[in-house]
Amino acid sequence: EAQVTQNPRYLITVTGKKLTVTCSQNMNHEYMSWYRQDPGLGLRQIYYSMNVEVTDKGDVPEGYKVSRKEKRNFPLILESPSPNQTSLYFCASSAQGGGLGYTFGSGTRLTVV
Amino acid sequence: GNSVTQMEGPVTLSEEAFLTINCTYTATGYPSLFWYVQYPGEGLQLLLKATKADDKGSNKGFEATYRKETTSFHLEKGSVQVSDSAVYFCALTAWNRDDKIIFGKGTRLHILP
Repeated sequence: EAQVTQNPRYLITVTGKKLTVTCSQNMNHEYMSWYRQDPGLGLRQIYYSMNVEVTDKGDVPEGYKVSRKEKRNFPLILESPSPNQTSLYFCASSAQGGGLGYTFGSGTRLTVV
Repeated sequence: GNSVTQMEGPVTLSEEAFLTINCTYTATGYPSLFWYVQYPGEGLQLLLKATKADDKGSNKGFEATYRKETTSFHLEKGSVQVSDSAVYFCALTAWNRDDKIIFGKGTRLHILP
């Protein structure tokens, strides 16, 4: 089954404790992206990657890092999480061009206390 | 820049009512247009898409027509069901360097039995 898999689904952590949210896709898509979803603000792009070893900032990159060492994986790293990063996070992938639509993961609900 | 504006919710309807969720866009060139649906506790799923003017996307009884003259992509369904309760996002991708998808803020739909 074609899918984007994120882990974990839920995570509660403390301020400053480094964490990684994993994202993997099995569709051989070139493009991958991370979004956060907050009430009243909709979906905002954090980082994206056009292909292996190619990443770029989205609209709200501060406090996040990503890497794209393999085509299928695109982890999101929070080096020192803060409470304002409490949010619902989604990973998405698409074939190059995006015209066929994006496939989203099921989401990771992160709470930073 | 590119943008998507959709009607604010929540929208509350009775079962079997007719649904319209308005969406208009601003974009240079010829974007692809999408509707995504997010059911409670889940990620976004592609509902339907249209890639050129006058195309009609359809799926699960939902329809939307790409109207270039009015820059609109309104979502319609003739008879809604309780199971259609979800958040609906209008979105576009423009053929540009970063393949970015632009989302509207989302419209929450409640269907009453």
